[in-house]
Amino acid sequence: GENVGLHLPTLSVQEGDNSIINCAYSNSASDYFIWYKQESGKGPQFIIDIRSNMDKRQGQRVTVLLNKTVKHLSLQIAATQPGDSAVYFCAENGGAGNKLTFGGGTRVLVKP
Amino acid sequence: DAGVTQSPTHLIKTRGQQVTLRCSPKSGHDTVSWYQQALGQGPQFIFQYYEEEERQRGNFPDRFSGHQFPNYSSELNVNALLLGDSALYLCASSPDSGTEAFFGQGTRLTVV
Repeated sequence: GENVGLHLPTLSVQEGDNSIINCAYSNSASDYFIWYKQESGKGPQFIIDIRSNMDKRQGQRVTVLLNKTVKHLSLQIAATQPGDSAVYFCAENGGAGNKLTFGGGTRVLVKP
Repeated sequence: DAGVTQSPTHLIKTRGQQVTLRCSPKSGHDTVSWYQQALGQGPQFIFQYYEEEERQRGNFPDRFSGHQFPNYSSELNVNALLLGDSALYLCASSPDSGTEAFFGQGTRLTVV
C-alpha cells in the first residue's frame, strides 16, 4: 500500500483519549477549509469542513476550530479509536473553482 | 453511486515514456481536478477541468496536460516522464456550485 505517513509529524494517542491536530494556513483570503483523512493505499476522505464565517463546527466525534486572526485550524477527535489511525491533512480553498491547497499532514497512531 | 473511480491503480513506466491516467467523477459532478502526491507529502494541485476546458492550473510544466470529455470524465497525460514524476496521482470531483471535493483512490505511478 501507499506509505503516505513517511516523513510526517506523528501524533501517538492512547485509544479512548482525545486527539488534537493542528494546521497553519497561509492564504488570508481562503474562505473554506476541509480536513481530510488518508489511510494507506487510499485517496483522501472528507471528514469535516468549515467556512470562514464560522469559528467552530462539530460533527460526529470531530470538531474543527478556525482562528482567522492567526490563520490556524485544528481538528479534535473525541475518544480516538484504532480506526482513526491515518494521515490527516487540512486543505484551504482560497478562490473559485474548488482548487485546494493542502498542508503537510500529520500521522495519527492510536495505541491500544 | 461508485464515487470517483481512477484507472489504472498502479503503473510502471520508463523514463522518457508517456502515460495517460483516467478518472470518472462522482455522479452529478461536472468539475474534475488532478493532484500529484509525492511520498510523505500533501497533494499538490495540477489542474482543473470544467465544461471540457482547463479552468485553473498549478505550478506544473507543460509536460502535464489533460482533457475532459462530454460525460465529465477526464484524462491526465504526462509526456517525457522523469524519475521525479513518480507519485500518487489523485483525481477529485465536485459540483461546480459546491466546494466539497471527493477523491478517488489514486493511480500509483512509478517511473524507472
